[in-house]
Amino acid sequence: RKEVEQDPGPFNVPEGATVAFNCTYSNSASQSFFWYRQDCRKEPKLLMSVYSSGNEDGRFTAQLNRASQYISLLIRDSKLSDSATYLCVVNETPGGFKTIFGAGTRLFVKA
Amino acid sequence: NAGVTQTPKFRILKIGQSMTLQCTQDMNHNYMYWYRQDPGMGLKLIYYSVGAGITDKGEVPNGYNVSRSTTEDFPLRLELAAPSQTSVYFCASSAGTGLNTEAFFGQGTRLTVV
Repeated sequence: RKEVEQDPGPFNVPEGATVAFNCTYSNSASQSFFWYRQDCRKEPKLLMSVYSSGNEDGRFTAQLNRASQYISLLIRDSKLSDSATYLCVVNETPGGFKTIFGAGTRLFVKA
Repeated sequence: NAGVTQTPKFRILKIGQSMTLQCTQDMNHNYMYWYRQDPGMGLKLIYYSVGAGITDKGEVPNGYNVSRSTTEDFPLRLELAAPSQTSVYFCASSAGTGLNTEAFFGQGTRLTVV
């Protein structure tokens, strides 16, 4: 089993649609969780951290289910500019370091 | 604001050649990382550093070496380049690894080994 596994994608959605990305992780002791966005041929950039209670940033909502070792990202009212690859990222150790990136899910938003 | 700067942006190497990918950050971050990203894949950690003078192996360190003589710089050395090292290389830095700690990435180096 991969350490961090994401929906393979790509997702093709019309503008205005709601789209959900799923991510599972294998290490139950993982400490912190993030969603990064990567535009084509660009570097990854932090989209949002994922808090245990869930958190929202505008049209984006992130959820964490530690019992199921599952993370999700919901994008509402999709825009053309949301087209990118979304990377699920898990930090496995608090004081040490082991950050695992998922392979990413590509999103295409069409007019 | 420069952030994380990587050079070069592109490079073509012949098999067996060596090169150093440069990375510098101006945010006074203790943590620095080198990742490689193959097409359609996630980032894989090559080496990381938690401070000047301290480095450690990541998931895929074979064929690479690093040094961290200063807080700002974290060069990645490729010895005896092989086609399997064709990839996009990203350097990143962060103030820590906790929940509210963002990793900042350089723009990447696209390396082709022929």
